[in-house]
Amino acid sequence: QVQLVESGGGVVQPGRSLRLSCAASGFTFSGYAMHWVRQAPGKGLEWEAVISYDGSDKYYADSVKGRFTISRDNSKNTLYLQMDGLRAEDTAVYYCAKGVTSRPPSRIEYWGQGALVTVSS
Amino acid sequence: QSALTQPPSASGPPGQRVTISCSGSSSNIESNPVNWYQQLPGTAPKLLMYTNNQRPSGVPDRFSGSKSGTSASLAISGLQSEDEADYYCAAWDDSLSGWVFGGGTKLTVL
Repeated sequence: QVQLVESGGGVVQPGRSLRLSCAASGFTFSGYAMHWVRQAPGKGLEWEAVISYDGSDKYYADSVKGRFTISRDNSKNTLYLQMDGLRAEDTAVYYCAKGVTSRPPSRIEYWGQGALVTVSS
Repeated sequence: QSALTQPPSASGPPGQRVTISCSGSSSNIESNPVNWYQQLPGTAPKLLMYTNNQRPSGVPDRFSGSKSGTSASLAISGLQSEDEADYYCAAWDDSLSGWVFGGGTKLTVL
């Protein structure tokens, strides 16, 4: 069965960086697009980024464009989200999610359990 | 402000039918399929409906979806207590080149 396990969350000061990882198993990771979606405390879902199966296509939400970078290592079955210049409003649970096709848009069909990122001084 | 507009709440007694609406624009709902996600309290979201009206394996046929123009809707018939959750619509937006979600609808079974 599909398993997505996020790690790397925690408390970070405004302006600093953090990298999230998502370990994937139960499917051929290198064949599917992958997403990051976040959810601020008590708020709704906000899509952040998607990457194609081979890393050649990437799309970002305007709110994180230029600050966040999505990447993947197919040899390690791992998805990453590099978050730079963090702001208080980036505080959220970050979900890793599997797309249903190899290239974007690729609707989300499975979600991880999420990693909490808290940006606070 | 979300690109897709949903009512913040919906409710109904057990056994009743409830409909949740999702309003968008020509660049998202009108141009692309709509998906729905269910998020039970304290858990990660789960795909509930895809491509407007297709149910993934395991989703009861009490759930149905539809789309017309720039709007979509999710209907739940025969409401059960375990249906209490937040429901989100989502669609790809051609103008933004990204996915957009509705703000979510909290369903309460009275």
